[in-house]
Amino acid sequence: EDQVTQSPEALRLQEGESSSLNCSYTVSGLRGLFWYRQDPGKGPEFLFTLYSAGEEKEKERLKATLTKKESFLHITAPKPEDSATYLCAVQGNTGGFKTIFGAGTRLFVKA
Amino acid sequence: NAGVMQNPRHLVRRRGQEARLRCSPVKGHSHVYWYRQLPEEGLKFMVYLQKENIIDESGMPKERFSAEFPKEGPSILRIQQVVRGDSAAYFCASSPMAGDGNTIYFGEGSWLTVV
Repeated sequence: EDQVTQSPEALRLQEGESSSLNCSYTVSGLRGLFWYRQDPGKGPEFLFTLYSAGEEKEKERLKATLTKKESFLHITAPKPEDSATYLCAVQGNTGGFKTIFGAGTRLFVKA
Repeated sequence: NAGVMQNPRHLVRRRGQEARLRCSPVKGHSHVYWYRQLPEEGLKFMVYLQKENIIDESGMPKERFSAEFPKEGPSILRIQQVVRGDSAAYFCASSPMAGDGNTIYFGEGSWLTVV
């Protein structure tokens, strides 16, 4: 069964303090790994899709990387507006067409 | 382009009533997914539908819950005889195709409160 584990559960940073969020996954045949951002009371907002180990994607202060067992979301010089819950999800060959989500990492960035 | 539209955004039901949640996918998307998010928990898959077909309902509770995606109109998630434990945020997502790492795009959710 496909599984996604995110760590840490919560992360508190000072503005400008770079860090990384981890997503460990177990999947039989990775079709895609996804990162989303979710603000309180809102739906998840798509950030990145990664397909194979070694792939990297960037958007503003965010950079997502992928290995065969985990993905990292690197946040460079975060700002308070980056505060949100970041969700990692996978889609594998044996899960049908389900996208399975981790529990998320709540990021708090203090000015 | 309009994104995934869900309504109502907030719904209050008394125990035993029915809740109907509607979802219109992104224009051109023919695949719809429903997820449930309990307070302080992650997104849990419920059901995957194409037009007029349920493809995967492995995450749907066996009783009281049903979903449809008719040829015309929005997808509907129906919860009969609601109980307090059904209180949650229900998110709909859509994609142009299924599988092969296709990204799914979410609506803003419907928040159900059972009193």
